[in-house]
Amino acid sequence: DAGVTQSPTHLIKTRGQHVTLRCSPISGHKSVSWYQQVLGQGPQFIFQYYEKEERGRGNFPDRFSARQFPNYSSELNVNALLLGDSALYLCASSTQVGPKETQYFGPGTRLLVL
Amino acid sequence: QKEVEQNSGPLSVPEGAIASLNCTYSDRVSQSFFWYRQYSGKSPELIMSIYSNGDKEDGRFTAQLNKASQYVSLLIRDSQPSDSATYLCAVNDKDSSYKLIFGSGTRLLVRP
Repeated sequence: DAGVTQSPTHLIKTRGQHVTLRCSPISGHKSVSWYQQVLGQGPQFIFQYYEKEERGRGNFPDRFSARQFPNYSSELNVNALLLGDSALYLCASSTQVGPKETQYFGPGTRLLVL
Repeated sequence: QKEVEQNSGPLSVPEGAIASLNCTYSDRVSQSFFWYRQYSGKSPELIMSIYSNGDKEDGRFTAQLNKASQYVSLLIRDSQPSDSATYLCAVNDKDSSYKLIFGSGTRLLVRP
């Protein structure tokens, strides 16, 4: 079975630009989460969507937004890019929600903002 | 205060030895605990999940959980050079079970 897929794999943008990152969950998974990982740190939670509804949002500015489509794929949008947005953006999917929810990560999109 | 703490390492062990990775967390009501392995330049890969106090074994890996001490560990038996990676400990948020809180990871080096 295919795992979580993300596109693009790498992206270079300049400050002030907008970026859209895409994610397709594991087949049968209805939940998608987005994380940001900067070098030397663990991933930080940005959003989770379940059944096309936002379940939660991390401590990120409004420049970050996301949505989930009827086929459960998802997009993460970042406006007005800053140098500090340079990071590995990870998408994770899970099949169930609740205390034992297990998240499986995709390969990530590496974003460089110049 | 960091919510999930790990020693950054590197932890260096010889091939064939047991590697012991440790993690402490601050929230007493966390219910789910995970270990992810991350190779340089790659994404995190789930190794183990544990929900109850005690030990959970899967192949060469054993996760240990002590909720009273707010401590979770990962033991890797018969360590191989291919185990060299950063190991991330993750705990679910007390108010939002879908949100994983990660430590900064421990870098493990297995010397041939």
